[in-house]
Amino acid sequence: QVQLVQSGAEVKKPGSSVKVSCKASGGTFGSYAISWVRQAPGQGLEWMGGIIPIFGPSTYAQKFQGRVTITADESTSTAYMELSSLRSEDTAVYYCARDRGAAVGISWFGPWGQGTLVTVSS
Amino acid sequence: DIQMTQSPSTLSASVGDRVTITCRASQSISSWLAWYQQKPGKAPKLLIYKASSLESGVPSRFSGSGSGTEFTLTISSLQPDDFATYYCQQYNGYSTFGGGTKVEIK
Repeated sequence: QVQLVQSGAEVKKPGSSVKVSCKASGGTFGSYAISWVRQAPGQGLEWMGGIIPIFGPSTYAQKFQGRVTITADESTSTAYMELSSLRSEDTAVYYCARDRGAAVGISWFGPWGQGTLVTVSS
Repeated sequence: DIQMTQSPSTLSASVGDRVTITCRASQSISSWLAWYQQKPGKAPKLLIYKASSLESGVPSRFSGSGSGTEFTLTISSLQPDDFATYYCQQYNGYSTFGGGTKVEIK
């Protein structure tokens, strides 16, 4: 049974970057995709991108291309999401989730990490 | 992007009620649809995938149906633990989610 545990809350200044981690246990890390989904306060869910660690290259939603970098470290079973050029609209809870299908982002998701609140404020 | 529209946005119901939530896609997505339940301060929880397949461990009072552009999530007899927000998600292309339906106590 895969479990995903994320890093803690962050407060960042506009224009800076944030890197959130997602450590997996159970299952065979690397053989399944991990996606990142965010949720702004009181809003819905938005897929950002994902990675299949053994294949390497990440896939990103067009909206976040050039601003998000998703990586994975198989040695620690950890996936990372780094978002740069932060603005106030990036204030959100960021979730990692296991893709259950074969293609990153073209799949249903479960389980999910507990979420990481990123607050962007001057 | 494929747009997903849920209705209603809020639903008031009582314990024991049969509840139905609708999700419409802007184009056909075959049966590539999932449903999630989210409680305040918690991560979404997968309920249904491939439109009608029940995730392991999810109570059988939850069911999903539909194909093409119109889908429904039904809770056959609402329980106190079911008051939450529900989201649909299409994965015919890169994933997009509906705006959510909050099920509240009547």
